[in-house]
Amino acid sequence: GAVVSQHPSWVICKSGTSVKIECRSLDFQATTMFWYRQFPKQSLMLMATSNEGSKATYEQGVEKDKFLINHASLTLSTLTVTSAHPEDSSFYICSAREGGRAFAGELFFGEGSRLTVL
Amino acid sequence: GIQVEQSPPDLILQEGANSTLRCNFSDSVNNLQWFHQNPWGQLINLFYIPSGTKQNGRLSATTVATERYSLLYISSSQTTDSGVYFCAVIKAAGNKLTFGGGTRVLVKP
Repeated sequence: GAVVSQHPSWVICKSGTSVKIECRSLDFQATTMFWYRQFPKQSLMLMATSNEGSKATYEQGVEKDKFLINHASLTLSTLTVTSAHPEDSSFYICSAREGGRAFAGELFFGEGSRLTVL
Repeated sequence: GIQVEQSPPDLILQEGANSTLRCNFSDSVNNLQWFHQNPWGQLINLFYIPSGTKQNGRLSATTVATERYSLLYISSSQTTDSGVYFCAVIKAAGNKLTFGGGTRVLVKP
């Protein structure tokens, strides 16, 4: 299957700082990537759809100014948590698939990034 | 949006036992995937199965799209099967994967 890599796996930061998480598709090009958030013992909730060459599409209730998404190339999307606070502490995980935006094929996930804000 | 319900929410098995996990969804789908989330949080793709039946070793899955459900079978369970199993779907004409609540499986030696 396709390989999606995320970095960093763990990050601890002080309240008020910004943190950037990278998501890369290693062996395929991804026009669209997706960012999810998971709280302990809960399911994954979609935060936003990252579109190469255009603005991200955010789910209802997700602050676009807090969670900045940039899809700089067909193999890289970044999520920046700006002015992080303890309530932003969570597990962030990205996914991607081959094919265009309308394609509903198999999705592959990165390893996830665990953010702890002190 | 589409609703995805998984049952049971928790399952405790003795090593060697068989089990069936269920996923019900509320609308037509063009993608259904089963995942195993390991203790480190990584999601492992088990099956891409919008319809039909597939088998991979001790695991198999069946999706009956017309009746809007999918089943994941675990046979001869092992302790390494422990973790959370997620079903996720993409609504027909959509492109976003929506997750169910998961089934937390514990296999005891």
